[in-house]
Amino acid sequence: GAGVSQSPSNKVTEKGKDVELRCDPISGHTALYWYRQSLGQGLEFLIYFQGNSAPDKSGLPSDRFSAERTGGSVSTLTIQRTQQEDSAVYLCASSSPGGGLNTEAFFGQGTRLTVV
Amino acid sequence: KQEVTQIPAALSVPEGENLVLNCSFTDSAIYNLQWFRQDPGKGLTSLLLIQSSQREQTSGRLNASLDKSSGRSTLYIAASQPGDSATYLCAVPMNSGYSTLTFGKGTMLLVSP
Repeated sequence: GAGVSQSPSNKVTEKGKDVELRCDPISGHTALYWYRQSLGQGLEFLIYFQGNSAPDKSGLPSDRFSAERTGGSVSTLTIQRTQQEDSAVYLCASSSPGGGLNTEAFFGQGTRLTVV
Repeated sequence: KQEVTQIPAALSVPEGENLVLNCSFTDSAIYNLQWFRQDPGKGLTSLLLIQSSQREQTSGRLNASLDKSSGRSTLYIAASQPGDSATYLCAVPMNSGYSTLTFGKGTMLLVSP
């Protein structure tokens, strides 16, 4: 596609429910990243994909968080048993061709998650 | 561990002023530095990417400079306009072999008509 697309743009969920956030990267971008932006905080890295594998999951805050990527394209971030502290904007980025250190990252518009 | 700091946290200026946003980083062994713009409730838009071998990059009214040795970058906005109002973020890659980024907390800019 023309840019990184994320859905939904907004999600309100009840505490304890599971949620799935979707990211469609730019076509041909093999590297995909998830970040979280909490109110008053900077962006924090969650997970990095190269193709369908995730060599770096070091930013996932707990085992309630998981992510997968299929076909080297779409990625889904799943949060189980959501808590109020999970409320944040979740941003996805992709880069090309291999996500090396000198490649530019392009971001989606984010999913604003509110846990009530 | 790389830390990125942006000063000021917020800035309010009248339309037409030239302004400078500052970004500093603790580990000077960076490969590049990227400036982003974030509008309220929106994602990040890439403004400029400066490679470590470059001293500056220009795009329209924006000019970004990089001084690796001192761990600093500045974003200069000429002749500011109300449409420039947004949060500006700088980011550097983590030394992980791929482009995972460490971000500053941003400078929130308000340009008044």
